[in-house]
Formats: sequence, C-alpha cells, structure tokens
Amino acid sequence: ETGVTQSPTHLIKTRGQQVTLRCSSQSGHNTVSWYQQALGQGPQFIFQYYREEENGRGNFPPRFSGLQFPNYSSELNVNALELDDSALYLCASSSARQGNEQYFGPGTRLTVT
Amino acid sequence: SQQGEEDPQALSIQEGENATMNCSYKTSINNLQWYRQNSGRGLVHLILIRSNEREKHSGRLRVTLDTSKKSSSLLITASRAADTASYFCATGQGAAGNKLTFGGGTRVLVKP
Repeated sequence: ETGVTQSPTHLIKTRGQQVTLRCSSQSGHNTVSWYQQALGQGPQFIFQYYREEENGRGNFPPRFSGLQFPNYSSELNVNALELDDSALYLCASSSARQGNEQYFGPGTRLTVT
Repeated sequence: SQQGEEDPQALSIQEGENATMNCSYKTSINNLQWYRQNSGRGLVHLILIRSNEREKHSGRLRVTLDTSKKSSSLLITASRAADTASYFCATGQGAAGNKLTFGGGTRVLVKP
C-alpha cells in the first residue's frame, strides 16, 4: 500500500453534472499526476501539478481542470460530464528527491449515467 | 493515444512457469516502468529502467530495455497464482521522466 489516498472510492453522476475528485499525496511528495483509465485500457495522462502549478497536460479538454494545495494534495474537477467520462481516475504522487517514482492511489471509480 | 503496446494482450500459464511480456514504444524516453494492477485497482510500481540501462532485476522480475528497437520485456520467473494481474509498461517523458504514457496492458492468468 502506498501513502496516496483518494476519495471518494466510487461515484455515480448524471450526464451534464460536475464532479470533484480528491487525492492526498504521499508525505514528502510535491508532484501529483492524474490519469484516466477506461475499462480494459491502460491509464491516460490527464495533467500534472508541481508546487501548485500545472506542469504538463495530456490530450483532455478544458472541462478537465485541477488544483494543487499548499500541502500538495490535489483535486480533479470535471464539468459537463459525458458518458465517456466513466472510468477509474488514478492519482500518483512523486518527488524528484525520490527519483520521480510514481506512487499510485487506489483510484476513484466514476460512473456517468 | 498510447505510446506503449504490450504483447501479448493476454497470457495464461501454469504456476511455476515463466511469464514473458513485451512492450514497444514510439518516441525517445527518459525511462520505462512496469506496473501491476489487480482487478481494476491502483497500480503497483514494479521496476524502473532508465534509458541508459539495458537490464534490471528485482526478485523474480527481470526487465530488459533495447532503445535501438524501442522495446522492453518483463520476465516473471517461477510464477505464482498471486501474480495473476494486468501488467502495464509506461514510458516516462519530460525532463523528469514523470509524465507517464501507458500501453494497453497484458492480462496474466496463473493457474494453480
């Protein structure tokens, strides 16, 4: 088990709604990355936050946004939910001092109906 | 899009046998990492190999990297039923190599 936690574990939303997912990074890690994993596929990089600033973004529309707080925890916000947003959302924390190895949380399973 | 492509997509073996899976990628990399995932849960980091390394071992795991062929392999020796999982390769891009691009994974079933 890593020290990365995510909440909630499961979530069901209706198309068009908004959702906020949360991630607490492992102690000492200042970088948080978010990934979307559709069923049966590998995770896809959404974006990364380093010291409260966005530090790279994958091929996701602007309705996917995020925040990182001074304690390095992070939020992923998705507006105007679509059915295809149904997926497992994973966050990973890392630190350059620890070789940038990614420590993943257990994920949040989002279902959009 | 996913840079890494694992081969095979699925693998079924008997306990005690070795399991080998391969990963190919398209662009230059900082590092390549292998992860395990059980039943759609969080990813467990197995091993990281840097672009200037050719082979790495960790317990029953052996990873090779051939940057000229843009490919890597993961070997699990003496497999156990507990090794049943999906295995993903991920390439690290960027200066820090911590923005990961994952392949589609290999689903491994180890039969007791």
